[in-house]
Amino acid sequence: DTAVSQTPKYLVTQMGNDKSIKCEQNLGHDTMYWYKQDSKKFLKIMFSYNNKELIINETVPNRFSPKSPDKAHLNLHINSLELGDSAVYFCASSQTSGGVLDEQFFGPGTRLTVL
Amino acid sequence: TQLLEQSPQFLSIQEGENLTVYCNSSSVFSSLQWYRQEPGEGPVLLVTVVTGGEVKKLKRLTFQFGDARKDSSLHITAAQTGDTGLYLCAEKTTDSWGKLQFGAGTQVVVTP
Repeated sequence: DTAVSQTPKYLVTQMGNDKSIKCEQNLGHDTMYWYKQDSKKFLKIMFSYNNKELIINETVPNRFSPKSPDKAHLNLHINSLELGDSAVYFCASSQTSGGVLDEQFFGPGTRLTVL
Repeated sequence: TQLLEQSPQFLSIQEGENLTVYCNSSSVFSSLQWYRQEPGEGPVLLVTVVTGGEVKKLKRLTFQFGDARKDSSLHITAAQTGDTGLYLCAEKTTDSWGKLQFGAGTQVVVTP
């Protein structure tokens, strides 16, 4: 059984379009995250939700809007896509939002290509 | 924001050889995690080190945390092709709601 799953795996779209990426975790975790990995493989956090509440909101354009309908799901909607949004987006989850020993489990990623 | 520097950026070795990758910072780490990311997949946690001078072993992988908690290393003994991947270090601060600050990674390629 997949622990953290994302859909779609690949997303190719035109500039200016709006798209969504979905994430689900079946681990019973309280906290979920969105990360962006650029073409140089640099991984940077974007958002985090704990029990459906936004707790981390990094400096991200407001074209990106996360939504957590319940603890097991975290979606990412992107408006007016730009070329620079092309990247691999990873969802992750962890049991809690603190604790140095708390492990984050990552999904397989969604490769977004904006043409 | 603390900057994590990883070196080397790329490492190619043959099966059976040893390798070491490094993660350094100018500031003290609260704690440090090492991840491995294989192509087309998300990162997977290998280890968390917390105490200065700590050494942890995971089969052929040895992780060291510097005494001053400003550096860490990952040593792989007798590398195998399955060790190929992107090795990432990340700091997890105690006051950041679980936020991980990643280094740029070391791409390791182990050839037969």
